[in-house]
Amino acid sequence: GAVVSQHPSWVICKSGTSVKIECRSLDFQATTMFWYRQFPKQSLMLMATSNEGSKATYEQGVEKDKFLINHASLTLSTLTVTSAHPEDSSFYICSASGGGRGTQYFGPGTRLTVL
Amino acid sequence: GIQVEQSPPDLILQEGANSTLRCNFSDSVNNLQWFHQNPWGQLINLFYIPSGTKQNGRLSATTVATERYSLLYISSSQTTDSGVYFCAVEWGTDKLIFGTGTRLQVFP
Repeated sequence: GAVVSQHPSWVICKSGTSVKIECRSLDFQATTMFWYRQFPKQSLMLMATSNEGSKATYEQGVEKDKFLINHASLTLSTLTVTSAHPEDSSFYICSASGGGRGTQYFGPGTRLTVL
Repeated sequence: GIQVEQSPPDLILQEGANSTLRCNFSDSVNNLQWFHQNPWGQLINLFYIPSGTKQNGRLSATTVATERYSLLYISSSQTTDSGVYFCAVEWGTDKLIFGTGTRLQVFP
């Protein structure tokens, strides 16, 4: 149980385009979802926390207008990278929890390459 | 904010060797977890260990919360143990702050 999927697993896009990444909890209701970014050979950095039905809370230094997060249901959160540029190329990982002090379950990640 | 440092940053072992990975954190935390990130990027939870010692097969972990560090022991390492090991601390409400990571390569 507690499976989290991400789609797509990898994406290549041209500079200036927008890219949407989906994160789904397949067998549980995720009241809270988290989005992380990982640059090559670096650690995971938390970008934002989203609760179902409410606005996401962004970490300091993360541009909320560039990284749009929508947590519209208890099983789906989306991250849209707007007007992507090469410096946005990274590995994006989501996690989901059932709320409270619950365990975070991690998705397999999405590798974004912006040309 | 809290700082989470891991050592060593890189570790190269021959199959069968034992190793100890360390995680130091700069503030009191609610929980601590150890993860293995495989070469494809998937994070696999190894231990929840806010304090004390736990063992799971060839892996064991010890956290001394009062001294703000945790250790991950890998015994009889195998090539499949290769990857990056992260500790992550729960600080505040549900937030996980990841450490700097230890990249492990195990050669046959």
